[in-house]
Amino acid sequence: GAGVSQTPSNKVTEKGKYVELRCDPISGHTALYWYRQSLGQGPEFLIYFQGTGAADDSGLPNDRFFAVRPEGSVSTLKIQRTERGDSAVYLCASSTGHPYNEQFFGPGTRLTVL
Amino acid sequence: GQQLNQSPQSMFIQEGEDVSMNCTSSSIFNTWLWYKQDPGEGPVLLIALYKAGELTSNGRLTAQFGITRKDSFLNISASIPSDVGIYFCAGQLGGNQFYFGTGTSLTVIP
Repeated sequence: GAGVSQTPSNKVTEKGKYVELRCDPISGHTALYWYRQSLGQGPEFLIYFQGTGAADDSGLPNDRFFAVRPEGSVSTLKIQRTERGDSAVYLCASSTGHPYNEQFFGPGTRLTVL
Repeated sequence: GQQLNQSPQSMFIQEGEDVSMNCTSSSIFNTWLWYKQDPGEGPVLLIALYKAGELTSNGRLTAQFGITRKDSFLNISASIPSDVGIYFCAGQLGGNQFYFGTGTSLTVIP
């Protein structure tokens, strides 16, 4: 079956621009996570959705970052006024929602802010 | 956020050798997970541990959840070239936040 997909795979933008990163979770998975992975580091938690609502957004670094999941499936991570420090791989993961269930990760979107 | 210290940072081994890596934290975790990440891909779960002291195997992989709940190790026996990659530990405190270590890069020399 289809896994988690993320688009675009690569995004290059200029400082100050707005970007949207998309995540298509595995069909039927109610839980969705966004992580940020900087070079040489492990993934860093950003936000967690259960259904349509953001159950935990405590990992978002500042108010330039925002994520939505309006229909409980596809999610979009939005970054306003991008900064060079936002450059990283943004990973999305989904799971069936039980706390102990496996998170399946997508391949990530590599964001480069020039 | 929580700090997970993973060691060693990198390993270069001969094919057929056994590998051991570990992860420590100052916090007590409810769940420990081990992932492998290949270049350009997301992490893939290898082993999940849910109880202190638990020892779990998955083929050539063995992992243990430390008694203090602040550490875990992963062993790989009889390494093969496809074991190459970056291995991450991750801990779950409760709720749905998972904290990842900095990774161990494994290179297997044929």
